[in-house]
Amino acid sequence: KQEVTQIPAALSVPEGENLVLNCSFTDSAIYNLQWFRQDPGKGLTSLLLIQSSQREQTSGRLNASLDKSSGRSTLYIAASQPGDSATYLCAVPSSNTGKLIFGQGTTLQVKP
Amino acid sequence: NAGVMQNPRHLVRRRGQEARLRCSPMKGHSHVYWYRQLPEEGLKFMVYLQKENIIDESGMPKERFSAEFPKEGPSILRIQQVVRGDSAAYFCASSPRKAGDINSPLHFGNGTRLTVT
Repeated sequence: KQEVTQIPAALSVPEGENLVLNCSFTDSAIYNLQWFRQDPGKGLTSLLLIQSSQREQTSGRLNASLDKSSGRSTLYIAASQPGDSATYLCAVPSSNTGKLIFGQGTTLQVKP
Repeated sequence: NAGVMQNPRHLVRRRGQEARLRCSPMKGHSHVYWYRQLPEEGLKFMVYLQKENIIDESGMPKERFSAEFPKEGPSILRIQQVVRGDSAAYFCASSPRKAGDINSPLHFGNGTRLTVT
């Protein structure tokens, strides 16, 4: 049974810091891994999707890496801004129906 | 291209009433997933539908909950005889292909927040 864990659960940093969010999964037989952002009271916004054949994916100040063999992914945020404050979730598809298994999320606060 | 549209955004129901949550997927998307987010908990899969078919309902409670995705119109998540424990945010997501396929991200709606009084 696939399980996804994210650490830390919460993180508070001053503006401008570079930071890393961690995601681990127990079953390495995945097709892709997706990182989402969720703002309070809102839905999820897809940030990055890494295919199983890729090692990393970049979008602006965000860089996500994937190491299938060790069951880990990291989301690197460069030069953090207060607008980055949100909950970040990682998810992997489980079984052959593609349902996503989500981690509990990391709630990030970037202080100005 | 409008995103995934869910309505209503907020829904208040008394115990024992029925709740109907609607989801219109993105244009061209025929795969719909429903998730539930309970307070202080993560997102949990409920059901996966593809036009007119339920593909995976392993996350649906056995009673009172049902879902459909008709040939025409939005997907509907229906909760009969609601109880306080049903209070949660219900999210719909759509994809042009099965979400587990390579390079097939899920696009989420803003959710319906159900409050049962």
